[in-house]
Amino acid sequence: EVQLVESGGGLVQPGGSLRLSCEVSGFTVTSHYMNWVRQAPGKGLEWVSIFYSGGTTNYADSVKGRFTISRDSYKNTVFLQMDSLRAEDTAMYYCARTPMFTTYFDSWGQGTPVTVSS
Amino acid sequence: QSLLTQPPSVSGAPGQNVTISCTGASSNIGAGYDVHWYRQFPGTAPKVLIYENNNRPSGVPDRFSGSKSGTSASLAISGLQAEDEADYYCQSYDSRLNGGVFGGGTKLTVL
Repeated sequence: EVQLVESGGGLVQPGGSLRLSCEVSGFTVTSHYMNWVRQAPGKGLEWVSIFYSGGTTNYADSVKGRFTISRDSYKNTVFLQMDSLRAEDTAMYYCARTPMFTTYFDSWGQGTPVTVSS
Repeated sequence: QSLLTQPPSVSGAPGQNVTISCTGASSNIGAGYDVHWYRQFPGTAPKVLIYENNNRPSGVPDRFSGSKSGTSASLAISGLQAEDEADYYCQSYDSRLNGGVFGGGTKLTVL
């Protein structure tokens, strides 16, 4: 059974850092593209970042230079290091899987909440 | 502001048919990139409803169908049921952003 389980969310002050984890089971992170997608309270979905199976990464303009996506193939886990956090980064952060050579998100985790506030 | 435009809300009575539109641009839908649709119930993660324009994952009833033409796409739901009440999002890939793009979401109300 495919499962994605996020963790690491919480309350952080503006300018602070947080590291999210997405531990997967039922497949390997090296055989799919792995993404982070977020949803601010009461708002729509926003794609944040992608880690392609070959190792290339990409980011939304809103987080470029502040967020870093990484992968640990031994732990079958994807991470999102979030630095210089702003109030507008407050959201539920979802980990989502994309089958190779496609552009859609076929499996999602349950999400981990991030609140940036003083 | 989302790169893909959806109506904020649609509604219909049980048994009726509804359509949700998704309008993009030459850098995403118009460039030939596939359109996908997700359904999200309150407090839960989204789930894919239609992928690659008109394909249904196993378990999704054939009441749901997708289409794409030019810079737009549509999700059609026939024979509305109370349990269809949810938020619906379209999604594609954008070549200018080199990443995924979502519509702003459409809240479907079953009257």
